[in-house]
Amino acid sequence: DIVMTQSPDSLAVSLGERATINCRSSQSVFYSSNNKNYLAWYHQKPGQPPKLLIYWASTRESGVPDRFSGSGSGTDFTLTISSLQAEDVAVYYCQQYYSSPPVFGGGTKVEIK
Amino acid sequence: EVQLVESGGGLVKPGDSLRISCAASGFTFSKYSMNWVRQAPGKGLEWVSSIHTSSSFMYYSDSVRGRFTISRDNAKNSLYLQMNSLRAEDTAVYYCARDGGFNGDPYYFDYWGQGTLVTVSS
Repeated sequence: DIVMTQSPDSLAVSLGERATINCRSSQSVFYSSNNKNYLAWYHQKPGQPPKLLIYWASTRESGVPDRFSGSGSGTDFTLTISSLQAEDVAVYYCQQYYSSPPVFGGGTKVEIK
Repeated sequence: EVQLVESGGGLVKPGDSLRISCAASGFTFSKYSMNWVRQAPGKGLEWVSSIHTSSSFMYYSDSVRGRFTISRDNAKNSLYLQMNSLRAEDTAVYYCARDGGFNGDPYYFDYWGQGTLVTVSS
């Protein structure tokens, strides 16, 4: 199985500042035949189910604010929140779907400094 | 509006069986693969099982294969998970999640239910 490793485990960012979360896969999740990275990002607010933010590493889900962006390719990926808002407090997960089973990273908790 | 509503969770003893359900609405259920994803208390997310639109293919994580069975009833817009030989480590919130892919291996999960808690304890 592909192993997904996120860093940091937690971070505290001031309101309006940038938050950056990293995700590394144990093998490439890039499929050259369609030029796509099989990587998704979710966040999970306290007491709620996860919510899809980004898929194909950089495609924002409908309705997701444009302060959320995904980047990276191959084995190294980043989720950036360009200007942190109070409602962005959550645990963030990456997930690979390049090969079965789909695997999530361990999560990164984002808090307000 | 897409809605997924899980039910059937509860407290059971090790070795017991339990069936949980997910009622879907707001989309054409028969056109989407569906998944179960679980989250142990205070822990991360773990994919459990997936089923194709016509039930032609089912996939399981190693941790549940041989004990859990996923099924669906497209006429009732419902997804099920039959859980047998339950263990303490199966204690988790079980989420029903719609697959964003196209009837192949599980992809990303674009809609999630609120979850149902299954507790396995003596």
